[in-house]
Order: sequence, then structure tokens, then C-alpha cells
Amino acid sequence: AQSVTQLDSQVPVFEEAPVELRCNYSSSVSVYLFWYVQYPNQGLQLLLKYLSGSTLVKGINGFEAEFNKSQTSFHLRKPSVHISDTAEYFCAVSRAAGNKLTFGGGTRVLVKP
Amino acid sequence: EAQVTQNPRYLITVTGKKLTVTCSQNMNHEYMSWYRQDPGLGLRQIYYSMNVEVTDKGDVPEGYKVSRKEKRNFPLILESPSPNQTSLYFCASSFSGVGNQPQHFGDGTRLSIL
Repeated sequence: AQSVTQLDSQVPVFEEAPVELRCNYSSSVSVYLFWYVQYPNQGLQLLLKYLSGSTLVKGINGFEAEFNKSQTSFHLRKPSVHISDTAEYFCAVSRAAGNKLTFGGGTRVLVKP
Repeated sequence: EAQVTQNPRYLITVTGKKLTVTCSQNMNHEYMSWYRQDPGLGLRQIYYSMNVEVTDKGDVPEGYKVSRKEKRNFPLILESPSPNQTSLYFCASSFSGVGNQPQHFGDGTRLSIL
């Protein structure tokens, strides 16, 4: 079985400050990792994904994430946030031959002016 | 425009009254799935479908039914809704399976069961 833990349920941050959202996963087999963003009253959109190769993955809107296999982590970062980054962020994991995407509990980011 | 369309977006109903939430995608995707989103729990998979007439249970299938008679449609059926099914529901699709495929999500359906 696979599981995902997002360590922070809420992260308040000031505009133009950096932000890091933490994600840890557990799985007995190789996994693919995703970050999705949910803006208010909308569905989820893909921010970035790690499938293989370079452990530093760049996504849309200036976000990046680093896969760390030894620590089973996939933390999301942005060096300078904007008000428009206020949203809920979900880390998710799937197995290579799986039919199931497992989500973490989500992290709400509130960007303050 | 490529999209996943859910209807209705909002519904308030009463316990025991059968309801159906429709989901349609226009991307010729084989894989479709339903999730429910509850605060602090993230999204949990209810059912998924690998293709027409192929469906299987996710993590929280109790109280729900699905069907996949056509490739584009994947309705979620609550035969006898109960208050613990009050939630935000999302339909998603991808070309094939989950694996390395990013999911395309609908805008959600907020159900309130009184």
C-alpha cells in the first residue's frame, strides 16, 4: 500500500517570501510523484511531476520540487510567492503499474500582502 | 477545448433520494475515476474505470455505484444518499491508467445530503 503525508495543513506566507511545502510518502515499490494545485472553487491542476531522471523537477508558475529517495520526500518550493499563489496544494503518488493515485491531506497556502 | 465536465455543480438533497452526478470528457481518455474531497483527508478514490464496461473499487466505494457504457461518460450514482456522503466530488480522466499520467479534473460537484 502507498500513503502520502503532507506535514503542514496550513502555511501563511508574506508576498515575495519563499515557501516550502513538505510531502513524505511511503511505498514498497517505485513510484511516480505529483503536485497538484486547487484554486478556490476549481478542480485540481497539475503543477509538476517526477517520473524518473533528474531529482529536481521544475513546474508551472515558478514552482519546483526535489525528489529524495532516501528520505522518501518530494518537497515543493517557490522562491518568491505572489498573492495569486493562494490555493490548496496536494501531493500525490502512484505506482508504475498502478491504477490508483493516492493523495495527501493537502496544504493551504495563504499569501499575505 | 479539452475538458472534464461534471453536473450538477451544486446539489442539496435529502437522505434516501437517489441521485446521479454526471461526468463527461472530450479527450477520448480510457481511464476515468471519481474522488471525494473532505477537509484534512485530501482526495480519496471512490471508483475507477480502465475502459468501457471495466470498473473497479477505489478506497471508499461504500454507498456508491458507477457505470461506463460509453467511453466519454462515467456517472456516479448514489442509490440511497446519507449525510456522511456530504462532500465535494471530483471526476478525473487520463489517457491510460494512472501510472505516469497526469489526471485532468472536472470543476467539482458539491453535494449536501440533509
